[in-house]
Amino acid sequence: QQPVQSPQAVILREGEDAVINCSSSKALYSVHWYRQKHGEAPVFLMILLKGGEQKGHEKISASFNEKKQQSSLYLTASQLSYSGTYFCGTGSSGSARQLTFGSGTQLTVLP
Amino acid sequence: DGGITQSPKYLFRKEGQNVTLSCEQNLNHDAMYWYRQDPGQGLRLIYYSQIVNDFQKGDIAEGYSVSREKKESFPLTVTSAQKNPTAFYLCASSLGQGVSGYTFGSGTRLTVV
Repeated sequence: QQPVQSPQAVILREGEDAVINCSSSKALYSVHWYRQKHGEAPVFLMILLKGGEQKGHEKISASFNEKKQQSSLYLTASQLSYSGTYFCGTGSSGSARQLTFGSGTQLTVLP
Repeated sequence: DGGITQSPKYLFRKEGQNVTLSCEQNLNHDAMYWYRQDPGQGLRLIYYSQIVNDFQKGDIAEGYSVSREKKESFPLTVTSAQKNPTAFYLCASSLGQGVSGYTFGSGTRLTVV
């Protein structure tokens, strides 16, 4: 079953922060985060594995709450280049070899 | 540079025709995947392969077929049985086992005319 992402869309000004959430009804083994610009391929941001870890990548970080079957992506001090659609992909325990993607969160950063 | 190459970038298909989308990677990745993306929606898995000569159906495999004769190549055929093939198709690869990120190709936009 497809993970649920929220919000569906968010508009920010440069320098503002955003949080994107990803929830699953299944027990998770892994959570991936990707960003896709319009008409382009998704680009891998980070992966979080079972164990509740938090990872960071420049000003973009993420957490993974295994018990709640949720992950959150944090974008701090957003830049214009952060605009795009963010997808989470989840791998379920026992079937971790292919991902199920959420429907995406469209992030727009304005000057 | 390593990466995934999808071709063609744009493809037009007439009703009743089969078409094949190419996907080649030089990343030495074991696993390869095909996803379909419709406007405003997420990615839905069509087929995936973890090793040569083996592949599995994804969530929306009906009307599609694949082959994996070489590690580098994973072509997707959209058959005439696929009733609504107009979409953006993305090929991806990974080291496998679900513990590494996916590398995506630049996609093929298929339109039925």
